[in-house]
Amino acid sequence: ETGVTQTPRHLVMGMTNKKSLKCEQHLGHNAMYWYKQSAKKPLELMFVYSLEERVENNSVPSRFSPECPNSSHLFLHLHTLQPEDSALYLCASSPSPGSGIYGYTFGSGTRLTVV
Amino acid sequence: LAKTTQPISMDSYEGQEVNITCSHNNIATNDYITWYQQFPSQGPRFIIQGYKTKVTNEVASLFIPADRKSSTLSLPRVSLSDTAVYYCLVGTMIYNQGGKLIFGQGTELSVKP
Repeated sequence: ETGVTQTPRHLVMGMTNKKSLKCEQHLGHNAMYWYKQSAKKPLELMFVYSLEERVENNSVPSRFSPECPNSSHLFLHLHTLQPEDSALYLCASSPSPGSGIYGYTFGSGTRLTVV
Repeated sequence: LAKTTQPISMDSYEGQEVNITCSHNNIATNDYITWYQQFPSQGPRFIIQGYKTKVTNEVASLFIPADRKSSTLSLPRVSLSDTAVYYCLVGTMIYNQGGKLIFGQGTELSVKP
């Protein structure tokens, strides 16, 4: 266990479904992130939250809706997805965005398949 | 953000030392060099970080020449469990000044028996 827990580990959903991915960190970190990793592609940074406030949205389609109710929990709400959205979705946390490129802890990810 | 270039893939055998080199010609004065490791279907894991010369921990060594335009991750006596993708990242410790964790393609290391 890394201290960042993601659920579910695997998810299959239809294009008209609504589902949510959950991330929880037990490290006392103040920043949380969503990354997407498609097959054979680099990780793509989707959203950045600092102290429950969204500080970055990297042109992610509105069918992905993040929510950060407190500094320990992060959700990614999914609605009307496309098959090309199938990927590994990774959550990460760091002490603060100011920790730069050091101090990130990743969860094990949710493998999402859109059918 | 400094752009990094590293080999797409490497093969090795158990017990060998593996050196993965990363080029970062436009590294800035405040940039650090960080390496992450990612196993299939898992999130990346921090391995090592350095600024200059040599850094060693229980997992790897990081060699950085004086001009800092490249760096080499050295894995001593690899085993099958070292099969993973290794990412070289360059950035500052300050988020608003290039400290975001932005990944490239990485190097896919395959260790064979």
